[in-house]
Amino acid sequence: DIHVTQSPSTLSASVGDRVTITCRASQSIGSWLAWYQQKPGKAPKLLIYKASNLEYGVPSRFSGSGSGTEFTLTISSLQPDDFATYYCQQYSSYPTWTFGQGTKVEIK
Amino acid sequence: QLQLQESGPGLVKPSETLSLTCSVSGGSISSESYYWAWIRQPPGKGLEWIGSIYYSGSTYYNPSLKSRVTISVDTSKNQFSLKVSSVAATDTAVYYCARLDRFLHYLDYWGQGTLVTVSS
Repeated sequence: DIHVTQSPSTLSASVGDRVTITCRASQSIGSWLAWYQQKPGKAPKLLIYKASNLEYGVPSRFSGSGSGTEFTLTISSLQPDDFATYYCQQYSSYPTWTFGQGTKVEIK
Repeated sequence: QLQLQESGPGLVKPSETLSLTCSVSGGSISSESYYWAWIRQPPGKGLEWIGSIYYSGSTYYNPSLKSRVTISVDTSKNQFSLKVSSVAATDTAVYYCARLDRFLHYLDYWGQGTLVTVSS
């Protein structure tokens, strides 16, 4: 089984900060990684798919990069609406889909 | 606009079977481009993929849940369903249904989620 490790689990930041969240896969998954934002009491919202493709309507301050086993989600200038929990999700053969453990972005 | 809506009991007794249905509107569940997925989230914890189904009935399950999970599809009703047998308190979670792009492997439309509590 392919495991995904997301870090950090919690991140404290201020409005305007550049924020980076990392996901590492135990084996190469090519570019099959997506990122989601979840706010309390709501379903997750797709931000990025296939590692670096911005979902329609998502602000351009969000970006994704990486391939193989290491991936990052970057928020270039953190906005008040961005305080939330972020999850990566990988796809691998079988097929199976697995989520990272989540990163909570808190106000510093 | 595609919409998904979960329905089913909010309380299930230990050792019994949890049953949920996801109704899809604004689009066809028989589209060749998508799988349909169940995901759950225990209170205060992260997301767990339960399984996915194609309109043809092909299913893919999380290996850790496979022995207790059954996902089925009813194309005539534009619905798909989840059954989890022999539930325990650890199955208490918000259960989400979602659409999964078959080629790009992301979940783009989600239901609002439904809390299922396992308790006697």
